[in-house]
Parts: sequence; structure tokens; C-alpha cells
Amino acid sequence: ETGVTQSPTHLIKTRGQQVTLRCSSQSGHNTVSWYQQALGQGPQFIFQYYREEENGRGNFPPRFSGLQFPNYSSELNVNALELDDSALYLCASSPAGTRRETQYFGPGTRLLVL
Amino acid sequence: AQSVTQLGSHVSVSEGALVLLRCNYSSSVPPYLFWYVQYPNQGLQLLLKYTTGATLVKGINGFEAEFKKSETSFHLTKPSAHMSDAAEYFCAVSDGQGAQKLVFGQGTRLTINP
Repeated sequence: ETGVTQSPTHLIKTRGQQVTLRCSSQSGHNTVSWYQQALGQGPQFIFQYYREEENGRGNFPPRFSGLQFPNYSSELNVNALELDDSALYLCASSPAGTRRETQYFGPGTRLLVL
Repeated sequence: AQSVTQLGSHVSVSEGALVLLRCNYSSSVPPYLFWYVQYPNQGLQLLLKYTTGATLVKGINGFEAEFKKSETSFHLTKPSAHMSDAAEYFCAVSDGQGAQKLVFGQGTRLTINP
């Protein structure tokens, strides 16, 4: 069984640019959540996608947006990058049904904004 | 709103000694509680979770945690530390409803001394 995968592993962008991060969920999982983990901090919830619809959002501005595809993979898009967007971005998938509360994390994408 | 406080950003124990990582939570509804471990440059791995039922929960790698409602705590323990336990540990809470987003603590870095 393949776990959650993310690409790319590392990325360097400059302020004002746009970035797209990708996530493939674990087999059998239909829910994907995205988290931002700044250096030395715990992860913070950005948003969640369930059956291709946004299903909850944290305290992040609209320049953070996402998509979920029919195969349940997902993208996180960030426009107008700011220096504070530098962080580890984690994707997590959850199984359908009664075990939805458990989220399984990918290895993350480390974004550096210069 | 839910929140998590992890007491001690850094804990150091000797190999073979008891590991105790403290977590207190705040939640207006019955919480779901989780412990995750993060090794350097990696994503989060689920150690254990509490949803309902037995308050003493056993996880992977010999870890366990006890849900104490009266103390709003979910401390993580391991009877005998191993060098491979050195990592960052995160306690998280969710409300088990809707998006079931995870709210994380700041993390505790565990160091094992030979």
C-alpha cells in the first residue's frame, strides 16, 4: 500500500511569485488536508478537501487555494508569495468511513521564499 | 476553540530511562487526541490516538498515553527510552466533527543521552 506522497521535496521561490505543491493521497483515502509548519512550530491547518470540495479552512488568506481531483490527489496553490510563507507544507489524507478522524501525513514540501 | 499546550519544548533523558512528554488540551466538546512523531526532515508519523473507550491507549514503538478528562491531559510515556526515540513529538486535538482539523501543540524535542 502506497502512503501519502508529495512533490516537489524542496522549492525555492522569490517574493511575489506563485507556487503549486502536489499531493497524492493514500490508497482508499478520499479526504486531503493541508498544513503549514513554520520552523520550530507545530503544523497549522490550512484547509481540507473532501470529494473535490473544500470542507473547512483555517486562518489563511485567499491567496492560499487548493484543488482536489477525481483520483483524490490534491494541489495547494499560493499566490503572491511572502517571506513568511517559507515553511514545510504537509499534506495528510484520511480514509473514508468511520476512521476519518485519523490523518496520515506525507513527507512534506519545504518551501523557501527569498 | 481548541488548543494544546505541551509542557517543555525540550526533554532530555538517558537511554533506558522513563520518557514522559506532557500534553494538556482545551476543548468544548469531547476531544479526539493524537500523538505524532517527526524525525528530522520528515513528515509526521502517527504514534497513537484516543477517540472513545479505554482511556489508556497503546501505540507503536512501546509508547502509550492516558486520557484524563479531569486533568484535561494526554501525557505520552515510554518505560525505557531508546536512542532511536530521539525526535520531535507533537500532541494534537480535534473535535471529531466536520473537517476534523488537527490543532497541534508547539512540539517537544526529545533527546536521548547514551
